[in-house]
Order: sequence, then structure tokens, then C-alpha cells
Amino acid sequence: GDKVKQSPSALSLQEGTNSALRCNFSIAATTVQWFLQNPRGSLMNLFYLVPGTKENGRLKSAFDSKESYSTLHIRDAQLEDSGTYFCAAEAADSNYQLIWGSGTKLIIKP
Amino acid sequence: AQTIHQWPVAEIKAVGSPLSLGCTIKGKSSPNLYWYWQATGGTLQQLFYSITVGQVESVVQLNLSASRPKDDQFILSTEKLLLSHSGFYLCAWSLRALYFGSGTRLTVL
Repeated sequence: GDKVKQSPSALSLQEGTNSALRCNFSIAATTVQWFLQNPRGSLMNLFYLVPGTKENGRLKSAFDSKESYSTLHIRDAQLEDSGTYFCAAEAADSNYQLIWGSGTKLIIKP
Repeated sequence: AQTIHQWPVAEIKAVGSPLSLGCTIKGKSSPNLYWYWQATGGTLQQLFYSITVGQVESVVQLNLSASRPKDDQFILSTEKLLLSHSGFYLCAWSLRALYFGSGTRLTVL
């Protein structure tokens, strides 16, 4: 099965609403990163997390290593939030390799 | 500030022809460097990583090779392209968090 299971696979929201994306891990993740890939393909690093929580503007992310999951919350969604969100986990024995989720495609409608 | 420049932006190549893609990272000393590949609509597949000049480790075998001739430069190449090499190639660097270049879209015909 997937070592990093990302949900939902796709999501469509009205502008101004809130959403939550999730990654569940079947590995012992030590760090988690969240990325946004825009329609042109560029990948932006949103968060680098050790266990705990980080916030940046309308985005908030949490990583619970004991319960093996991470979440990304988007508040007051804007059109520019559209794209594909990926999470990627590092494990203790990962040897410079991140283990990637399959992505959540988010569409924000005006 | 760190910058990562990846070239070319796009390539259309014939099956069997050679390929060379490159990236340069400025503003960071001795970063870890990576090559990723992404099929259209797919997830990211790590191809290579390098933690020091002259040393490159392969993650998957795709008839591609990589080299790190300088601390700030990472090259991806092959002598003979296959149709299956089509896709989006991304160079990235990290010390902790991972940061990507803008990518090269490769079409093999």
C-alpha cells in the first residue's frame, strides 16, 4: 500500500471558504513538507515540519508523528490557491529520499 | 537569497538523440542536489541525488545519468532518448527544506 496516503485526491471550493488536506503515513516519518504545484508546473515549498504546528498567513499545517499524519488547512481560499498540493515525508532511514503523496488537486471557484 | 536556475525551459527531441539538462544553484554552499521526474498528471519520482561534488547516487534506473561537476551545478543527461523519457524534469536543492527549480518540459517524439 501507499506509504504516504494523501486525501482527498481532488477538491473544488468556493472562494472564501476553508479546507483541510491530510496525509497519513505508514512509515515512521521524522519530517514532513508540503508543496503547491501551480498549473505551469512550478513547485513551491509551503512548509517544512518537525512534529508540531506552523502557520503562514492563511495556511496552517500540523504534523503528529505519534499518530502518523499531517494536515494542511487553507483559510479563506483565494483563486491563486488553485493547484496540486503534495506532501512528502522523510523517514529516519530514507537516505536522502522523500516519500511523496499522490497529491490533492484543488480548484478554487470564484 | 538563494536562486536556482534550470535550463532549458522546454525541449522537443527525437527518439535516440542525446539530452543534457542542467541547473545552477547560487547563494548556498554545498547544498544537497536532486533530479526529479514527473509524468503528466503524476506524482514526483526522484531520479538522483548528490551530497557533494563529484558524487551522485541513482535512485531509479531510467537510462539516464547525472553528474555534479561543480558545487553549484547539477547535470542530467543521456546518450539515447526513449519515448518514456518524456515528462517534466525538476532540479532541486536542500539543506533541510527542499526547493525546486522551474523545471524542463521534455517531449520525445
